[in-house]
Amino acid sequence: GQQVMQIPQYQHVQEGEDFTTYCNSSTTLSNIQWYKQRPGGHPVFLIQLVKSGEVKKQKRLTFQFGEAKKNSSLHITATQTTDVGTYFCAGVKTSYDKVIFGPGTSLSVIP
Amino acid sequence: DAGVIQSPRHEVTEMGQEVTLRCKPISGHDYLFWYRQTMMRGLELLIYFNNNVPIDDSGMPEDRFSAKMPNASFSTLKIQPSEPRDSAVYFCASSLGSGYTFGSGTRLTVV
Repeated sequence: GQQVMQIPQYQHVQEGEDFTTYCNSSTTLSNIQWYKQRPGGHPVFLIQLVKSGEVKKQKRLTFQFGEAKKNSSLHITATQTTDVGTYFCAGVKTSYDKVIFGPGTSLSVIP
Repeated sequence: DAGVIQSPRHEVTEMGQEVTLRCKPISGHDYLFWYRQTMMRGLELLIYFNNNVPIDDSGMPEDRFSAKMPNASFSTLKIQPSEPRDSAVYFCASSLGSGYTFGSGTRLTVV
C-alpha cells in the first residue's frame, strides 16, 4: 500500500539555525499537506500543496512539492523556540482517498 | 466556531470495561476521521465517514472497536472490552475536503 516516509526522525538545533524535514511517498500524490503538533497538543494544519514544483511560504516556513509529486520538504529559517514540535507530512493519492500521515519529524530548539 | 470537540479529555478505565469516546465535528464539514496516536505506531487512521456513512474502516484494529455517526454533528468510537494495549491518544478530525481540523484528543489509559 501507499507509504509516506519522513527524515529525519528527530532534529535538535540551536535557536537561530535553519531546519529542514523531508517527506517521500512510494506513489505519486494528488496533493500533500503539512501539520504541526506541539508537545501535548493536537496536529494543526499548516498548508496544502497541489501543483508539481509548487513552493509556498508562510513567514519563516517554506514548503516545496517535488516535480514528480512524490516528495516534499519543509524548511524553517532561523528557528525559534516556538517552532518546537513534531512536523507531519500527509499525502493523498487521489482527491477521494484518505490522507496518509508520515511518522513525523520531532524538532527541538535549544535556546 | 468552537472547532472539533472531543470528550472526555482523559479516560482511565480497567481492562475489560467498555469505553466510549465522543466527537462533535465542525458544522458543515462532511468528512469525519478517527485516529489513534502512540509513540510506537504514530498516527493511525482507524475509520472515516463521509456524509455520516463509513467509507473505510480497514484501520480498525479488531472487532472490539466500533464507530458510529448517527448524524452530521456527532460520532462515537467504542471499545468493548478494552485492553491495556488500547492505551493511546484518540483524535477525531473533520474536513471539508482539504486540511483536517483535529480535536484536542482523548487520552485513554486502560489499566
